[in-house]
Amino acid sequence: AQSVTQLGSHVSVSEGALVLLRCNYSSSVPPYLFWYVQYPNQGLQLLLKYTSAATLVKGINGFEAEFKKSETSFHLTKPSAHMSDAAEYFCAVSDGNTGGFKTIFGAGTRLFVKA
Amino acid sequence: SAVISQKPSRDICQRGTSLTIQCQVDSQVTMMFWYRQQPGQSLTLIATANQGSEATYESGFVIDKFPISRPNLTFSTLTVSNMSPEDSSIYLCSVGGINNEQFFGPGTRLTVL
Repeated sequence: AQSVTQLGSHVSVSEGALVLLRCNYSSSVPPYLFWYVQYPNQGLQLLLKYTSAATLVKGINGFEAEFKKSETSFHLTKPSAHMSDAAEYFCAVSDGNTGGFKTIFGAGTRLFVKA
Repeated sequence: SAVISQKPSRDICQRGTSLTIQCQVDSQVTMMFWYRQQPGQSLTLIATANQGSEATYESGFVIDKFPISRPNLTFSTLTVSNMSPEDSSIYLCSVGGINNEQFFGPGTRLTVL
């Protein structure tokens, strides 16, 4: 069975500082991995996805994530935080083998950005 | 990507009543998905809706409580029946992309009194 663990329900950084949101996954088959962002009172928006191509994935708004199979991790980073990055971030995994869309979401990490 | 709209965006309902949520997609899709996001929590898949067949429900969700319609390839509805305060959540519909990514609607924020 697949699962996702996000370390830290809340992360607070200063504007301009590095953003690091941690995600570890469990999957018995090659996974598809995703990061989504949810701004207040909105639906989820895809930030980036890993689909077994390059292990370093670049997404929107300056975010990127690195797939590390040996560590079963897919941490999300951004070199310099902006106030507009304050939101809830969800890591997610789906089964890349069967073509199914069933997606398991992590519990989420709320990012706070201090001025 | 797909553009998805939902109606209503929010509602406040009395316990024991039912609410039907509509989801419209700007392109034809085979599968549509309904999720629940309880306050302060992550997303849980309720069911997968295929056009022309019965929806497939996840463990813990039943058709009598969450009936789903899928009359065509661009539209679906989810009904929350006989509501109780525990049904207060955000309900989201989504469609899938070519690499299993999900494209979400803006959500329906439901409060049950």
